[in-house]
Amino acid sequence: GAVVSQHPSWVICKSGTSVKIECRSLDFQATTMFWYRQFPKQSLMLMATSNEGSKATYEQGVEKDKFLINHASLTLSTLTVTSAHPEDSSFYICSASTSGIQYEQYFGPGTRLTVT
Amino acid sequence: QKEVEQDPGPLSVPEGAIVSLNCTYSNSAFQYFMWYRQYSRKGPELLMYTYSSGNKEDGRFTAQVDKSSKYISLFIRDSQPSDSATYLCAMSAGGGTSYGKLTFGQGTILTVHP
Repeated sequence: GAVVSQHPSWVICKSGTSVKIECRSLDFQATTMFWYRQFPKQSLMLMATSNEGSKATYEQGVEKDKFLINHASLTLSTLTVTSAHPEDSSFYICSASTSGIQYEQYFGPGTRLTVT
Repeated sequence: QKEVEQDPGPLSVPEGAIVSLNCTYSNSAFQYFMWYRQYSRKGPELLMYTYSSGNKEDGRFTAQVDKSSKYISLFIRDSQPSDSATYLCAMSAGGGTSYGKLTFGQGTILTVHP
Protein backbone atom coordinates (compact mmCIF):
# COMPACT_ATOMS: atom_id res chain seq x y z
CA GLY A 1 0.00 0.00 0.00
CA ALA A 2 0.84 3.72 0.08
CA VAL A 3 2.06 3.98 -3.48
CA VAL A 4 2.71 7.33 -5.10
CA SER A 5 3.34 7.67 -8.80
CA GLN A 6 4.71 10.51 -10.86
CA HIS A 7 4.38 11.19 -14.54
CA PRO A 8 6.43 11.68 -16.54
CA SER A 9 9.54 10.13 -15.05
CA TRP A 10 11.75 12.11 -17.38
CA VAL A 11 11.03 15.10 -19.59
CA ILE A 12 13.09 17.32 -21.84
CA CYS A 13 11.69 20.66 -22.90
CA LYS A 14 12.91 23.73 -24.67
CA SER A 15 13.61 26.95 -22.86
CA GLY A 16 10.51 29.11 -22.62
CA THR A 17 8.00 26.30 -22.72
CA SER A 18 5.91 24.96 -19.85
CA VAL A 19 5.84 21.45 -18.51
CA LYS A 20 3.37 19.73 -16.22
CA ILE A 21 4.27 17.01 -13.74
CA GLU A 22 1.60 14.82 -12.18
CA CYS A 23 1.70 13.23 -8.75
CA ARG A 24 -0.87 10.56 -7.90
CA SER A 25 -1.59 8.60 -4.76
CA LEU A 26 -2.68 5.23 -6.13
CA ASP A 27 -4.18 3.46 -3.14
CA PHE A 28 -4.99 6.14 -0.62
CA GLN A 29 -6.46 9.59 -0.42
CA ALA A 30 -3.86 12.28 0.10
CA THR A 31 -5.16 15.29 1.94
CA THR A 32 -1.72 16.88 1.76
CA MET A 33 0.92 16.72 -0.93
CA PHE A 34 4.40 18.16 -0.86
CA TRP A 35 6.64 19.10 -3.75
CA TYR A 36 10.42 18.91 -3.44
CA ARG A 37 13.31 19.76 -5.68
CA GLN A 38 16.63 17.97 -5.62
CA PHE A 39 19.81 19.05 -7.36
CA PRO A 40 22.57 16.51 -8.04
CA LYS A 41 24.29 15.40 -4.84
CA GLN A 42 22.18 17.78 -2.83
CA SER A 43 19.32 17.30 -0.48
CA LEU A 44 15.63 17.60 -1.10
CA MET A 45 14.37 21.14 -0.73
CA LEU A 46 10.70 21.64 0.02
CA MET A 47 9.09 23.88 -2.55
CA ALA A 48 5.45 23.94 -1.50
CA THR A 49 2.73 22.23 0.46
CA SER A 50 -0.69 21.72 -1.03
CA ASN A 51 -3.93 20.66 0.56
CA GLU A 52 -6.79 19.35 -1.52
CA GLY A 53 -9.08 22.10 -2.69
CA SER A 54 -7.01 25.00 -1.41
CA LYS A 55 -4.12 27.10 -2.62
CA ALA A 56 -0.61 25.82 -2.16
CA THR A 57 1.70 27.28 0.44
CA TYR A 58 5.09 28.09 -1.04
CA GLU A 59 8.39 28.11 0.79
CA GLN A 60 10.39 31.29 0.94
CA GLY A 61 12.25 31.93 -2.28
CA VAL A 62 10.02 29.76 -4.48
CA GLU A 63 8.27 31.69 -7.21
CA LYS A 64 4.60 30.82 -7.07
CA ASP A 65 3.95 32.23 -10.54
CA LYS A 66 6.65 30.05 -12.01
CA PHE A 67 5.82 26.83 -10.19
CA LEU A 68 2.07 26.43 -10.36
CA ILE A 69 0.65 23.78 -8.07
CA ASN A 70 -2.85 22.42 -8.28
CA HIS A 71 -4.30 19.85 -5.89
CA ALA A 72 -7.67 19.31 -7.49
CA SER A 73 -8.53 15.96 -5.95
CA LEU A 74 -7.51 13.71 -3.10
CA THR A 75 -5.40 11.60 -5.43
CA LEU A 76 -3.84 14.09 -7.82
CA SER A 77 -1.58 17.09 -7.56
CA THR A 78 0.17 18.76 -10.46
CA LEU A 79 3.23 20.97 -10.67
CA THR A 80 3.54 23.14 -13.76
CA VAL A 81 6.88 24.76 -14.46
CA THR A 82 6.05 27.79 -16.56
CA SER A 83 8.45 29.42 -19.01
CA ALA A 84 11.13 26.92 -18.07
CA HIS A 85 14.79 27.84 -18.22
CA PRO A 86 17.92 25.69 -17.99
CA GLU A 87 18.35 26.58 -14.33
CA ASP A 88 15.01 24.88 -13.66
CA SER A 89 16.55 21.57 -14.68
CA SER A 90 16.34 19.37 -11.62
CA PHE A 91 14.78 16.29 -10.06
CA TYR A 92 11.27 17.04 -8.81
CA ILE A 93 9.79 14.73 -6.20
CA CYS A 94 6.34 14.77 -4.66
CA SER A 95 5.16 13.18 -1.47
CA ALA A 96 1.66 12.46 -0.29
CA SER A 97 0.16 12.17 3.14
CA THR A 98 -3.22 11.23 4.49
CA SER A 99 -2.71 13.11 7.68
CA GLY A 100 0.20 15.48 7.24
CA ILE A 101 2.00 13.53 9.94
CA GLN A 102 5.70 13.96 9.49
CA TYR A 103 6.67 10.35 9.11
CA GLU A 104 3.65 9.36 7.09
CA GLN A 105 4.76 10.93 3.86
CA TYR A 106 5.09 8.59 0.91
CA PHE A 107 7.34 9.72 -1.87
CA GLY A 108 6.94 9.36 -5.58
CA PRO A 109 9.79 8.13 -7.78
CA GLY A 110 10.58 11.61 -9.03
CA THR A 111 10.61 13.42 -12.37
CA ARG A 112 13.82 14.48 -14.00
CA LEU A 113 13.36 17.74 -15.89
CA THR A 114 15.95 18.87 -18.41
CA VAL A 115 15.48 22.26 -20.03
CA THR A 116 17.56 22.86 -23.15
CA GLN B 1 24.74 27.44 8.55
CA LYS B 2 22.42 24.73 7.30
CA GLU B 3 19.70 23.62 9.66
CA VAL B 4 20.69 20.00 9.13
CA GLU B 5 24.23 18.84 8.44
CA GLN B 6 25.05 15.40 7.11
CA ASP B 7 28.39 14.09 5.96
CA PRO B 8 27.89 13.32 2.26
CA GLY B 9 30.57 10.62 2.27
CA PRO B 10 30.91 8.62 0.17
CA LEU B 11 31.17 5.78 2.63
CA SER B 12 32.43 2.39 1.44
CA VAL B 13 32.34 -0.66 3.71
CA PRO B 14 32.73 -4.43 3.30
CA GLU B 15 29.72 -6.67 3.54
CA GLY B 16 28.89 -7.53 7.16
CA ALA B 17 30.29 -4.30 8.59
CA ILE B 18 28.44 -2.07 11.01
CA VAL B 19 27.61 1.27 9.41
CA SER B 20 27.14 4.47 11.36
CA LEU B 21 25.42 7.42 9.72
CA ASN B 22 25.00 10.74 11.50
CA CYS B 23 23.33 14.12 11.30
CA THR B 24 23.57 17.23 13.40
CA TYR B 25 21.04 20.00 13.50
CA SER B 26 20.67 23.48 14.85
CA ASN B 27 16.91 23.95 15.20
CA SER B 28 15.93 23.00 18.74
CA ALA B 29 12.27 22.89 17.68
CA PHE B 30 12.77 19.66 15.74
CA GLN B 31 10.89 16.83 17.42
CA TYR B 32 10.43 14.24 14.70
CA PHE B 33 13.45 12.52 13.21
CA MET B 34 13.36 10.29 10.17
CA TRP B 35 15.79 8.27 8.11
CA TYR B 36 15.14 7.65 4.44
CA ARG B 37 16.89 5.47 1.91
CA GLN B 38 17.07 6.65 -1.67
CA TYR B 39 18.24 4.60 -4.59
CA SER B 40 19.54 6.33 -7.68
CA ARG B 41 16.86 8.24 -9.57
CA LYS B 42 14.15 7.07 -7.16
CA GLY B 43 12.17 8.77 -4.45
CA PRO B 44 13.12 8.39 -0.78
CA GLU B 45 11.78 5.42 1.17
CA LEU B 46 11.12 5.77 4.89
CA LEU B 47 13.31 3.49 7.00
CA MET B 48 12.66 4.67 10.52
CA TYR B 49 11.23 7.52 12.49
CA THR B 50 11.71 8.59 16.09
CA TYR B 51 9.87 11.09 18.18
CA SER B 52 12.03 13.10 20.58
CA SER B 53 15.09 11.52 22.18
CA GLY B 54 15.80 7.84 22.50
CA ASN B 55 16.58 4.71 20.56
CA LYS B 56 14.51 2.66 18.18
CA GLU B 57 15.40 -0.67 16.65
CA ASP B 58 13.95 -2.39 13.59
CA GLY B 59 15.75 -5.48 12.41
CA ARG B 60 19.26 -4.55 11.38
CA PHE B 61 18.58 -0.84 11.79
CA THR B 62 18.86 1.23 14.97
CA ALA B 63 18.05 4.92 15.17
CA GLN B 64 19.30 7.10 18.00
CA VAL B 65 18.35 10.65 18.86
CA ASP B 66 20.17 12.84 21.34
CA LYS B 67 18.30 16.12 21.48
CA SER B 68 20.63 17.58 24.09
CA SER B 69 23.49 17.32 21.59
CA LYS B 70 21.29 17.89 18.53
CA TYR B 71 22.68 14.71 17.06
CA ILE B 72 21.02 11.72 15.45
CA SER B 73 22.43 8.45 14.21
CA LEU B 74 21.43 5.44 12.16
CA PHE B 75 23.27 2.18 12.64
CA ILE B 76 23.10 -0.66 10.14
CA ARG B 77 24.27 -4.03 11.38
CA ASP B 78 25.46 -6.83 9.13
CA SER B 79 25.41 -4.53 6.13
CA GLN B 80 24.51 -6.04 2.77
CA PRO B 81 25.27 -4.97 -0.81
CA SER B 82 21.55 -4.25 -1.16
CA ASP B 83 21.98 -1.54 1.50
CA SER B 84 24.02 0.46 -1.00
CA ALA B 85 22.09 3.69 -1.46
CA THR B 86 21.95 7.28 -0.33
CA TYR B 87 20.71 7.71 3.24
CA LEU B 88 18.93 10.91 4.13
CA CYS B 89 18.09 12.17 7.56
CA ALA B 90 15.02 14.38 7.85
CA MET B 91 13.51 16.35 10.66
CA SER B 92 10.36 18.20 11.49
CA ALA B 93 9.29 20.60 14.18
CA GLY B 94 5.76 19.28 14.40
CA GLY B 95 2.63 21.34 14.55
CA GLY B 96 1.54 24.79 13.51
CA THR B 97 3.03 26.13 10.30
CA SER B 98 5.66 23.39 10.40
CA TYR B 99 3.09 20.60 10.29
CA GLY B 100 4.34 17.89 7.97
CA LYS B 101 7.27 19.96 6.68
CA LEU B 102 10.51 18.03 6.51
CA THR B 103 14.02 19.44 6.48
CA PHE B 104 16.48 17.03 4.92
CA GLY B 105 20.18 16.51 5.33
CA GLN B 106 22.39 16.34 2.28
CA GLY B 107 22.42 12.55 2.25
CA THR B 108 25.27 10.07 2.72
CA ILE B 109 26.20 7.81 -0.18
CA LEU B 110 26.83 4.30 1.13
CA THR B 111 28.39 1.46 -0.83
CA VAL B 112 28.60 -2.02 0.66
CA HIS B 113 30.93 -4.20 -1.36
CA PRO B 114 30.85 -8.00 -1.28
